Amino acid sequence: RKEVEQDPGPFNVPEGATVAFNCTYSNSASQSFFWYRQDCRKEPKLLMSVYSSGNEDGRFTAQLNRASQYISLLIRDSKLSDSATYLCVVNGAGGFKTIFGAGTRLFVKA
Amino acid sequence: SQTIHQWPATLVQPVGSPLSLECTVEGTSNPNLYWYRQAAGRGLQLLFYSVGIGQISSEVPQNLSASRPQDRQFILSSKKLLLSDSGFYLCAWSDQGNGELFFGEGSRLTVL
Repeated sequence: RKEVEQDPGPFNVPEGATVAFNCTYSNSASQSFFWYRQDCRKEPKLLMSVYSSGNEDGRFTAQLNRASQYISLLIRDSKLSDSATYLCVVNGAGGFKTIFGAGTRLFVKA
Repeated sequence: SQTIHQWPATLVQPVGSPLSLECTVEGTSNPNLYWYRQAAGRGLQLLFYSVGIGQISSEVPQNLSASRPQDRQFILSSKKLLLSDSGFYLCAWSDQGNGELFFGEGSRLTVL
């Protein structure tokens, strides 16, 4: 079993749609959780951290369920510029050994 | 502010040739440092991480090695490249205990 697993995608959605990505992790001792965005042929960049209480940043909402070892990302009112690969990221105590999921590709079309 | 820089950005190397990719971080002390590889259309694979000078942890057995000769310098090397070493190599740093990663611009390696 992979340490971090994501929806395989790709997701093809029209502008204005709401889309949700899921991610599961295998290590129950994991401490920190993030969503990163990666544009084609570029380095990943932090989109948002994920907290147990859930957190929102504009059109983006991230949630963590520690009991189920599950992370989600919701994007509302999708924009063309949201087209990218979204990476689920998990790491252990002390920030060591950060593990990335394989990513989910999103295509937003006009 | 902190910055991370890695080079070269692009290189094409023949099979069996050596490799050296370098990464430096500025504006922070004692960072965790990482090397990742991303094959075409694939996810990021953690290759090495370091929590201090001379301390290297290897995640995947392969013909690559890493060194950290200075606090903010991380080097990825190979003595003999394989075709399967082609990919997008990313250096990253994080603060101790935080976990958020900051990536360099990446080095795209093609082995022919």
